[in-house]
Amino acid sequence: EVQLVESGGGWVQPGGSLRLSCAASGFTFSSYSMNWVRQAPGKGLEWVSKISASSASIYYADAVMGRFTISRDNGKELLYLEMSSLRDEDTAVYYCAKEDYANGMEVWGQGTTVTVSS
Amino acid sequence: DIQMTQSPSTLSASVGDRVTITCRASQSVSRWLAWYQQKPGKAPKLLIYQASKLESGVPSRFSGSGSGTEFTLTISSLQTDDFASYYCQQYNSESRTFGQGTKVEIK
Repeated sequence: EVQLVESGGGWVQPGGSLRLSCAASGFTFSSYSMNWVRQAPGKGLEWVSKISASSASIYYADAVMGRFTISRDNGKELLYLEMSSLRDEDTAVYYCAKEDYANGMEVWGQGTTVTVSS
Repeated sequence: DIQMTQSPSTLSASVGDRVTITCRASQSVSRWLAWYQQKPGKAPKLLIYQASKLESGVPSRFSGSGSGTEFTLTISSLQTDDFASYYCQQYNSESRTFGQGTKVEIK
């Protein structure tokens, strides 16, 4: 069964840092691009970042550029999102999603909640 | 970045109704357009990819059409399980973007 499981969410003060992880199973992780997508409370989906299968290409939304870093470990089948200089507006459920280049984000994790508050 | 605009934001409908949601892109995305369904407290689920291709396991009452900048998601006969939020998303540009969502409510 194809599965993605996020972890690492929690409460952090503004200006703080947090690292999210996404554990993949049931597919050849090293063959697929991966994304992070977030959803603030009561709001819509917002794309955060994408990393190619080999980590050669990385993209960020303007809202997180320079503060968030996406990375992956294909040997461990793990995706990461390192978040720093966190702001109140980064409060959201963060999802990781497997992307097929032609088919969109075909598999999603259950999400992990990040709360930024003083 | 490519902006995606959905309409309407909210839609009230009854079981059995035909429902159409529109998604417009600020520039052409060819047919690199996906639709997702999301229920409260759950992760999004892929329904349609490449504008009109049905994801495996998705009921045939769902269909997608369009290309370039104008797209539609149609539910031919709304079922109780379809009351949810729906999002379009372009993947023509490496900076992916979602529409703001359409909530389908019970009338």
